Amino acid sequence: EIVLTQSPDTLSLSPGERATLSCRASQSVRSYLAWYQQKPGQAPRLLIYDASNRATGIPARFSGSGSGTDFTLTISSLEPEDFAVYYCQQRSSWPSFGQGTRLEIK
Amino acid sequence: EVQLVESGGGLVQPGGSLRLSCAASGFTFSSYAMSWVRQAPGKGLEWVSSINASDGNTYYADSVKGRFTVSRDNSKNTLYLQMNSLTAEDTALYYCAKVIFGVVTAYFHSWGQGTLVTVSS
Repeated sequence: EIVLTQSPDTLSLSPGERATLSCRASQSVRSYLAWYQQKPGQAPRLLIYDASNRATGIPARFSGSGSGTDFTLTISSLEPEDFAVYYCQQRSSWPSFGQGTRLEIK
Repeated sequence: EVQLVESGGGLVQPGGSLRLSCAASGFTFSSYAMSWVRQAPGKGLEWVSSINASDGNTYYADSVKGRFTVSRDNSKNTLYLQMNSLTAEDTALYYCAKVIFGVVTAYFHSWGQGTLVTVSS
């Protein structure tokens, strides 16, 4: 089983700031990594797939990078609606998710 | 627009059974693999099961293997999850999801709003 570890657990930032979220895999997942956003009371939403490809309708301020075991989700300038929980997920093997990073308003 | 609507959740006693359904619309259901993903209250996401588009091949997480059965009826655009021998650890919000780029090694592209399963005496 591939374990994904996200850091930090909680990130406190202000609107307009840049957010950098990390996801580390216990073994290489090549580029088979996705990022999801989940707001309270809502289902997760696919943001990024294959490490760096934005899903349909996702704003350009969201970008993903990385390969192998280390990945990053960057939000270039935070909007009020971006404060949520973010999960990474790999599909190199049977799917697994990270524990999530809570992005909160400072 | 893709729509996935789960139903069938509720309160069940330990050892009991429940059958979840997921009605799909807005896409060609018979062309896509589908999955169930669950989220325990206040916790993260856990993949549960996946089923291929047409040949019925199924896949399960170790935590549910032998107790849960996923199936689909392409004529009704509906996905199912039969859950038996339920324990408190199965308490969660169960989402169905349309997957892309594979069957089990896949991403979860579209999600329903979930149906809550509570296992308690």
